[in-house]
Amino acid sequence: DAKTTQPNSMESNEEEPVHLPCNHSTISGTDYIHWYRQLPSQGPEYVIHGLTSNVNNRMASLAIAEDRKSSTLILHRATLRDAAVYYCILRDAGNQFYFGTGTSLTVIP
Amino acid sequence: DAGVIQSPRHEVTEMGQEVTLRCKPISGHNSLFWYRQTMMRGLELLIYFNNNVPIDDSGMPEDRFSAKMPNASFSTLKIQPSEPRDSAVYFCASSLAGGSYQPQHFGDGTRLSIL
Repeated sequence: DAKTTQPNSMESNEEEPVHLPCNHSTISGTDYIHWYRQLPSQGPEYVIHGLTSNVNNRMASLAIAEDRKSSTLILHRATLRDAAVYYCILRDAGNQFYFGTGTSLTVIP
Repeated sequence: DAGVIQSPRHEVTEMGQEVTLRCKPISGHNSLFWYRQTMMRGLELLIYFNNNVPIDDSGMPEDRFSAKMPNASFSTLKIQPSEPRDSAVYFCASSLAGGSYQPQHFGDGTRLSIL
């Protein structure tokens, strides 16, 4: 069973920021929060991950709630190439990934 | 650097035939994962290996499925006999072991169609 809940779909205008939410109310203290995205006809691609603190990398930012029961992936300026399914995943100490159904992001030119 | 390499990219075969999917992980990675993706069930973990040893195969659907990792640079997923409901995209991923913070790197998948 998926441990994360995400909206099925979201839309964004090109060049605007996108905030993709994820709820993970049953997260345990040692679970890492990972985000992946999957472009059409490709395998999932790692985006970012974090444990407690907010994280930034060249692709995105990850904002983690203080109680860790939710997180938000932030794409600062959406491009057409960012159109994909975004998965919020918890990874436990047993090395298991739990993929949910993801959010399908549409970027409008 | 080469990523995870899967072969074949596409496979079409008739039910009852044996199917073998192949995966070459990223050099230096010591964890390997096999996933299956369908529209109905999304991405499902089938099995994963640490240091060539199967750790958890609870996701393998039934005895028709088997996976091996004879060395650190090669793994196979075999279906024998194949059935139409096995049609899916099969992904292989690899990562460094040693922590739940390690990202997984996925191949481009094998699209399998069983007629």
